[in-house]
Amino acid sequence: GEDVEQSLFLSVREGDSSVINCTYTDSSSTYLYWYKQEPGAGLQLLTYIFSNMDMKQDQRLTVLLNKKDKHLSLRIADTQTGDSAIYFCAEIWVGSQGNLIFGKGTKLSVKP
Amino acid sequence: GAVVSQHPSRVICKSGTSVKIECRSLDFQATTMFWYRQFPKKSLMLMATSNEGSKATYEQGVEKDKFLINHASLTLSTLTVTSAHPEDSSFYICSARDGGQGALGEQFFGPGTRLTVL
Repeated sequence: GEDVEQSLFLSVREGDSSVINCTYTDSSSTYLYWYKQEPGAGLQLLTYIFSNMDMKQDQRLTVLLNKKDKHLSLRIADTQTGDSAIYFCAEIWVGSQGNLIFGKGTKLSVKP
Repeated sequence: GAVVSQHPSRVICKSGTSVKIECRSLDFQATTMFWYRQFPKKSLMLMATSNEGSKATYEQGVEKDKFLINHASLTLSTLTVTSAHPEDSSFYICSARDGGQGALGEQFFGPGTRLTVL
């Protein structure tokens, strides 16, 4: 079945760039998403990319999609302490009612 | 952006009791709402998909008689955990999709409900 994999932890220094990686298995995914979850809170949609795109940039966020390798990455430029959170990648499984399939999340820790 | 609320944000109950969690879309009509469960250090697990006015579609392994879902209006879905046990303790998150957006429309997430069963 469909599966989404992420590394569980990433630690960076304030001001550095963070790169969070994700791999997925469903080649029929139409949209791929990045969500941010702060402690004890729900999910906040950060950005998304359509599967026919290679890259999308939105202020400090850059999403890269390698559809051949089924690899998705999120780059956060000039990482701030407020960026500390868990980041989930997710895909839409086209064969469903639009259900999101989530990875396990990457916990980003930003050190001053 | 669109706002989804959940109530309560936290609930503690005794084993054997039932707990109802509400999910509301505040400024849009949600024909479809999703209920997720999040375990510590685990991803979100989709429990069920509810469409307004029809029965919910449950994911494999989710007991429909234990997790009752009602989507009676375009702005409200409820999840009732019946005869709760300590293993039901978890963080429950709902999401709602704007009815005009189709199956690939953005889902807006609620802030979650922390359920603790003693």
